[in-house]
Amino acid sequence: GQQVMQIPQYQHVQEGEDFTTYCNSSTTLSNIQWYKQRPGGHPVFLIQLVKSGEVKKQKRLTFQFGEAKKNSSLHITATQTTDVGTYFCAGRGGDYKLSFGAGTTVTVRA
Amino acid sequence: NAGVTQTPKFQVLKTGQSMTLQCAQDMNHNSMYWYRQDPGMGLRLIYYSASEGTTDKGEVPNGYNVSRLNKREFSLRLESAAPSQTSVYFCASSGLRTEGYTFGSGTRLTVV
Repeated sequence: GQQVMQIPQYQHVQEGEDFTTYCNSSTTLSNIQWYKQRPGGHPVFLIQLVKSGEVKKQKRLTFQFGEAKKNSSLHITATQTTDVGTYFCAGRGGDYKLSFGAGTTVTVRA
Repeated sequence: NAGVTQTPKFQVLKTGQSMTLQCAQDMNHNSMYWYRQDPGMGLRLIYYSASEGTTDKGEVPNGYNVSRLNKREFSLRLESAAPSQTSVYFCASSGLRTEGYTFGSGTRLTVV
């Protein structure tokens, strides 16, 4: 079945620095979604990417979908304490089922 | 506020006890889902309901049953709780199969 791998599992970032989290699928995806979960909270939908090579931005967050539609990345610039949490990617295969990665947990040093 | 409502928020069960987790959405979404979240394992799909009247197994259905009571409500039942079912359970819904999911606030379940 479809598997979505996410790296790194943990990211410790100095406030103001940039970082990137990566998502890789064993199969071609029809689309990929990203979610953010604050500590003690629930996942919140951030964005969906559908097209090969697609790039979308939300303020300091940049999302990319790979040309082969098997990988994706989330890049955050000038990290702030409000960026703390776990970021999940979720890939949708041909059967429309969404498979979540294990997440990247981000902590920020002030 | 519009969204997905889960009850209860916390629950402690003894091994062998049964319980039902309730979920309701008021966004007129067709599809609803139950996930469990364990440390380091992300979100794993237990069961889902693509539309009212249908339910299907996800990745980890063993030990669970579901009921799609109507378009709004989707419940998850543990017939005989086991310690391995200690987890955080999230209900989610989506309007179309390709839309982002809206999650409830979760149920933190401990089985002792």
